[in-house]
Amino acid sequence: AAGVIQSPRHLIKEKRETATLKCYPIPRHDTVYWYQQGPGQDPQFLISFYEKMQSDKGSIPDRFSAQQFSDYHSELNMSSLELGDSALYFCASSPREFGTQYFGPGTRLLVL
Amino acid sequence: DQQVKQNSPSLSVQEGRISILNCDYTNSMFDYFLWYKKYPAEGPTFLISISSIKDKNEDGRFTVFLNKSAKHLSLHIVPSQPGDSAVYFCAASYHGGSQGNLIFGKGTKLSVKP
Repeated sequence: AAGVIQSPRHLIKEKRETATLKCYPIPRHDTVYWYQQGPGQDPQFLISFYEKMQSDKGSIPDRFSAQQFSDYHSELNMSSLELGDSALYFCASSPREFGTQYFGPGTRLLVL
Repeated sequence: DQQVKQNSPSLSVQEGRISILNCDYTNSMFDYFLWYKKYPAEGPTFLISISSIKDKNEDGRFTVFLNKSAKHLSLHIVPSQPGDSAVYFCAASYHGGSQGNLIFGKGTKLSVKP
């Protein structure tokens, strides 16, 4: 069965650079969630979209922005990267708002 | 302040025995609870969930128990298999009985020994 696709799987950036993470949800899923998992930490909710509209917002820094496109894929844009942004970034999709969330494999971001 | 707590960072169990993973929460507004399993280099995989209107949900070898008065839930795996070795995350949400954004515990690493 098709799963959530995230790209890239690994990314190395330097401080103050920008990064764009992409998420392709499971077909016919209209809701996307972004989570950040720091080393040894639990995943922390960043932001979610339902039907291309932002539906909820968590602990997402102002330096980050995200959107969901007409084909339901989502992009997380991160600017002025800091060392503390180094983490695993997970995207999850669900077949409806408030449905069970299915996670992608994650993007590991390293900021040097 | 950790709203979902998994106080055991690790658990070791013999193959064929029962594995019991515990989770406590502090927010009484939570109305939906989930367990995810995570292997290294993979994203969390949904295992089983329970709504706050129930106290038990069973799916094959996996059973989740919810004690609302104690704000405690547990995941039972019977019988445990070596392939169950992974990190297990407890997660909670509140959206009137459905699932919104998830609040995770820090995870418990389960090792099932042959």
